Amino acid sequence: NAGVTQTPKFQVLKTGQSMTLQCAQDMNHNSMYWYRQDPGMGLRLIYYSASEGTTDKGEVPNGYNVSRLNKREFSLRLESAAPSQTSVYFCASSDLQGETNEKLFFGSGTQLSVL
Amino acid sequence: QKEVEQNSGPLSVPEGAIASLNCTYSDRGSQSFFWYRQYSGKSPELIMFIYSNGDKEDGRFTAQLNKASQYVSLLIRDSQPSDSATYLCAVKRGGSNYKLTFGKGTLLTVNP
Repeated sequence: NAGVTQTPKFQVLKTGQSMTLQCAQDMNHNSMYWYRQDPGMGLRLIYYSASEGTTDKGEVPNGYNVSRLNKREFSLRLESAAPSQTSVYFCASSDLQGETNEKLFFGSGTQLSVL
Repeated sequence: QKEVEQNSGPLSVPEGAIASLNCTYSDRGSQSFFWYRQYSGKSPELIMFIYSNGDKEDGRFTAQLNKASQYVSLLIRDSQPSDSATYLCAVKRGGSNYKLTFGKGTLLTVNP
């Protein structure tokens, strides 16, 4: 059981370049999330998808777009990368979405550096 | 601004001691409270959740919640070097429209 799979694990971009982070889950979860984690800032929600066909902004959506391709896959796109987007990105999915004991399952993360 | 506050640490305890990790939150509408553990360079994993006032025990871990004081804590008994990690507190309002808000985490080091 693979859980949540993210690719790539590492990426270096130049300012202005674009890229897409891929995420797939095999747990049949409805909800999927993209977080970024910066030193001293904790985990911050970028975008989420409560169910297939829907996406919504989180705390820090500027500079990002997302696509919920199907129930399994949720991608994050940086159209024009900026140094401020240097971070570790985590994809997550959840069961019991909206319930009191909703649990997040995280992917292994993508370490992105923008030069 | 809904906030979740944690002491960033590092919190250092000797092996076998009790580690006490604390978290306060500002949103009185918060209903669910979670502790995630994150090893260095790894992703977070859920270790405990609690939504009723009082204590909840799971093995060596005890979560404590006091909604009146807006305070949640995690106690780790008989701490082991393998418990050395960053512990993230997260809170959530009830309902499908609300998402987790994470604290910045507390780094725990258990010394052999």
